[in-house]
Amino acid sequence: AQKVTQAQTEISVVEKEDVTLDCVYETRDTTYYLFWYKQPPSGELVFLIRRNSFDEQNEISGRYSWNFQKSTSSFNFTITASQVVDSAVYFCAVGDAGGTSYGKLTFGQGTILTVHP
Amino acid sequence: EAGVTQFPSHSVIEKGQTVTLRCDPISGHDNLYWYRRVMGKEIKFLLHFVKESKQDESGMPNNRFLAERTGGTYSTLKVQPAELEDSGVYFCASSQVEGGKSTEAFFGQGTRLTVV
Repeated sequence: AQKVTQAQTEISVVEKEDVTLDCVYETRDTTYYLFWYKQPPSGELVFLIRRNSFDEQNEISGRYSWNFQKSTSSFNFTITASQVVDSAVYFCAVGDAGGTSYGKLTFGQGTILTVHP
Repeated sequence: EAGVTQFPSHSVIEKGQTVTLRCDPISGHDNLYWYRRVMGKEIKFLLHFVKESKQDESGMPNNRFLAERTGGTYSTLKVQPAELEDSGVYFCASSQVEGGKSTEAFFGQGTRLTVV
């Protein structure tokens, strides 16, 4: 069984602050995938990143960066110089790599991020 | 290109009634998934279609839930009879298969179901 823990239920920051969203996962699979999704007020889940378990390189995309630490089973997400438009619910998820589908995911409970002007 | 579309966006029904949720995946996507988020909890997998076939329905809570995907296009999720604990947001997602592996899943905006 897989499990994802996002210990931060809500985070509130002021614009331009950096913020890190924590994600700790559990899985018995030796090969797996990790994901982050963003849920803006409009409701849909927006894909942000997929990371293979055998690739521990950190990734940066604009103001977003992800830190994957297999030794601690963590996949944290940092937003640099946060903006009001970053306000959303962020979900971390793990999926197995055994099949051909990336769609069967185990999600965490989500972190509500509010960025104040 | 249109994304994953779900109808209705909101539904309020009384306990014991029937409700049918619809999902239109991205055109050409063979994989279709249903998920549910009960208030404040994690988003949970319900089932997975590959075209019109149920690949995995291990997350379906009980036999009051029936999912179909006739013709491998849109899908419906029927709850009959609805109970109070069925309230939540139901998400649909779809993905394509390329080179033997699927793309990441694209989600719809969800249907908020309230059973009173």
